[in-house]
Amino acid sequence: GAVVSQHPSRVICKSGTSVKIECRSLDFQATTMFWYRQFPKQSLMLMATSNEGSKATYEQGVEKDKFLINHASLTLSTLTVTSAHPEDSSFYICSALRPLVGTQYFGPGTRLLVL
Amino acid sequence: DQQVKQNSPSLSVQEGRISILNCDYTNSMFDYFLWYKKYPAEGPTFLISISSIKDKNEDGRFTVFLNKSAKHLSLHIVPSQPGDSAVYFCAASPTGFQKLVFGTGTRLLVSP
Repeated sequence: GAVVSQHPSRVICKSGTSVKIECRSLDFQATTMFWYRQFPKQSLMLMATSNEGSKATYEQGVEKDKFLINHASLTLSTLTVTSAHPEDSSFYICSALRPLVGTQYFGPGTRLLVL
Repeated sequence: DQQVKQNSPSLSVQEGRISILNCDYTNSMFDYFLWYKKYPAEGPTFLISISSIKDKNEDGRFTVFLNKSAKHLSLHIVPSQPGDSAVYFCAASPTGFQKLVFGTGTRLLVSP
């Protein structure tokens, strides 16, 4: 069964609105979770590292004020795309780092389309 | 700057034969390598990994080979099955268990 879930799986929104994506670790507590985005026919690009109870660490070029990450519990991280624009349309994928094992388990992804 | 490269965007193999997917990297600080399988509109699924202290790791039909001097790794699938048809990503980490840098993926098609 799924180890990491994401909700929603697909969302369409108007330009200028904000969208929240949830990532849940179902089988283990994850102090570290990651957010990626994937454009068509391209690789997964790490956006940020989400650490439970502390601020997220953003990769170079990723606007932290635009992509708000909250990791309030050991099983939930959220990504909020604020004031979304059409260029934010993408496939967003989260992962949870399983402690001790050290493997990242990925969610099924969220397809965001901004009109 | 693409630190992890998969130069073959696609590969076609007949069922029962061996599939070999290749991956090259440029960052000598990478010490942990992984292969993921991905279906469309789904997240990647972990397949197999290898640390830089090894040159081979095997798990059932999947074997990963690492050539550190050439900064090259490969995934062998034998025998290949139609259900193996997917996009395969190699990924590398400089710290063992943290940030992953992904390659661009290779689409494998296994025909009956």
